Amino acid sequence: QKEVEQDPGPLSVPEGAIVSLNCTYSNSAFQYFMWYRQYSRKGPELLMYTYSSGNKEDGRFTAQVDKSSKYISLFIRDSQPSDSATYLCAMKDSSYKLIFGSGTRLLVRP
Amino acid sequence: NAGVMQNPRHLVRRRGQEARLRCSPMKGHSHVYWYRQLPEEGLKFMVYLQKENIIDESGMPKERFSAEFPKEGPSILRIQQVVRGDSAAYFCASSTESTGPNTEAFFGQGTRLTVV
Repeated sequence: QKEVEQDPGPLSVPEGAIVSLNCTYSNSAFQYFMWYRQYSRKGPELLMYTYSSGNKEDGRFTAQVDKSSKYISLFIRDSQPSDSATYLCAMKDSSYKLIFGSGTRLLVRP
Repeated sequence: NAGVMQNPRHLVRRRGQEARLRCSPMKGHSHVYWYRQLPEEGLKFMVYLQKENIIDESGMPKERFSAEFPKEGPSILRIQQVVRGDSAAYFCASSTESTGPNTEAFFGQGTRLTVV
């Protein structure tokens, strides 16, 4: 079993839809949770960084962490074609090593 | 403030040649990490370096791979005698700290290595 599981998609939605992206994990020592966006043939770009359980909002993006269920989510409101990318969840314990999910490909149709 | 700079962006090597990948961290960042991404997979940790020190190389293959972060200049990931299986995207990331709240890692654009 992988430490971090993420549905690879692809996930196809119409413009304006609310998108929900999820990851589950098995290591209860993970404390820091991140979402990265990666456009084709580009580097991962940090979108959201959370430390504790609960919600964190930044513009159209909301990150949610449920440590009791070992489940994290990223919600994108009013999705735009420019949001089309691969979304990678990543997490770590108190150390430096990021453990990534395999990424979910998102396509927002105009 | 320039981001993490990696070069070259694309590198083609024949089997048996050497590949050198360079990474300049963001200004003010002293912690550098290398990750490898195979097609359709997430990033996998390779090595963590601070200036003149390798802190953790547990993700690096034992042979042919080495990394350094000298006192002056960029971090270098070196792959000797490349094989087709080394073809991947190699990403460098940097951060201000390795532990604690300010541990966000910012990634470069990557070097895409193709071994022919």
